[in-house]
Formats: sequence, C-alpha cells, structure tokens
Amino acid sequence: NAGVTQTPKFQVLKTGQSMTLQCAQDMNHEYMSWYRQDPGMGLRLIHYSVGAGITDQGEVPNGYNVSRSTTEDFPLRLLSAAPSQTSVYFCASSYSVLAGGRDTQYFGPGTRLTVL
Amino acid sequence: GENVEQHPSTLSVQEGDSAVIKCTYSDSASNYFPWYKQELGKGPQLIIDIRSNVGEKKDQRIAVTLNKTAKHFSLHITETQPEDSAVYFCAASKSSGGSNYKLTFGKGTLLTVNP
Repeated sequence: NAGVTQTPKFQVLKTGQSMTLQCAQDMNHEYMSWYRQDPGMGLRLIHYSVGAGITDQGEVPNGYNVSRSTTEDFPLRLLSAAPSQTSVYFCASSYSVLAGGRDTQYFGPGTRLTVL
Repeated sequence: GENVEQHPSTLSVQEGDSAVIKCTYSDSASNYFPWYKQELGKGPQLIIDIRSNVGEKKDQRIAVTLNKTAKHFSLHITETQPEDSAVYFCAASKSSGGSNYKLTFGKGTLLTVNP
C-alpha cells in the first residue's frame, strides 16, 4: 500500500490564482480530512468527509472547497488564493469503524504552499 | 468547541534522560487522545493513543497517562535517544458515529535530545 499520497509537494501561487491539492489513499478508508499547519498553531481542520458524496466543514473552511466523488480521492480546492493561505497542508484518512484501533488517522507527507 | 493546550513549546534533554509533555483539554466529552510525532519535512505519525476508559498506556519507552477529572493527559518518554528529536503533538476528539476523525491538536512541542 502507498498509504496517503499528496501532490504536489511544493507550489507557489500568485494572489487570486486557483489550484487543487490532490490527496489519495489506497487503504479503503471512509474518513478523509484536510488540515493546515502554520508555525506555532499546530494543525487545524479545514474540511472532512465521512464517505463518498459527504463532506463537512472543519475549524477553518473559508476560502477552500472540497468534494468526495470516490472513496480514494479527496481534493482540496483554493478558489482564489490569498497570502493568508500560505501554509503546509496535510491530508489524513482513517477507517470508519472504531474497532481494534482501526480509527487511527494516517497522514500524508504534506504540500507546502506559498501564495505571493 | 474543543481547545487543547500543550506545554512546553520547547524541551531540551540529555540523551538517556526522560521527557514529559503535558496537554489539557476543555471538552469533558472528549474520549480519544492520540499523540503524534512529526519529523522535519514529514507528516505527523501516530506514536501512541489512549481512550477515556483507560488511565495509562505504555509502549516500550513511551507512555501516556490520562486524568479525566482534571482533563489533562501527558506523554512520557524514557531513556531518550537522539532519534526521538522531533515535534510532538497531542490531540483530542469525541467519538462520533464510531470514529475519531475530528481531531483538535495542541500547538506542538519541539523536543531536542542532546547526545
């Protein structure tokens, strides 16, 4: 298994540009989520999905859009990038069932985004 | 919503010493408390977790304790080694529908183990 993969690893955008951060997992996990990590702020939840076709907002959803058309993929869209969205973005996934520790969240390697 | 406070923000120890990182949480309904280790340039990786029906859990050199009454939990690393140097995050969540997917993280502790 490749686990949780994210692309790209690095991205530089200009203010106002749009882009999509890709996240995929091959573990048949139902739950997927996006976090952003800023210095001294820990990780903050942006959006999450409890299964294909179902998404919901986290703590800091403004300026981001998500969709979940398949179990494997959970892309994060920046509609009009702003300097405040400069951050490291992590995707995570976990099983849906609390059984034998199967709800562990597995994180991807991250995407480092800079908005000029 | 849940609020997780983590202390200290930086911790420097000598190789072989113990390290303790403490977290407090605000929501008494939280019942799942994982700890993650993040090495430079990588994503967080779960190292140990504890659920609210357990007071202590140990895995080799790593242990976690939970005090539900006081709403705090701690990570203990014994016999520290240079490869333990990393940023450690605590987190808390409420089990909802059978899964703990909405984690609230502390701000992290940079642990440095000096040889």
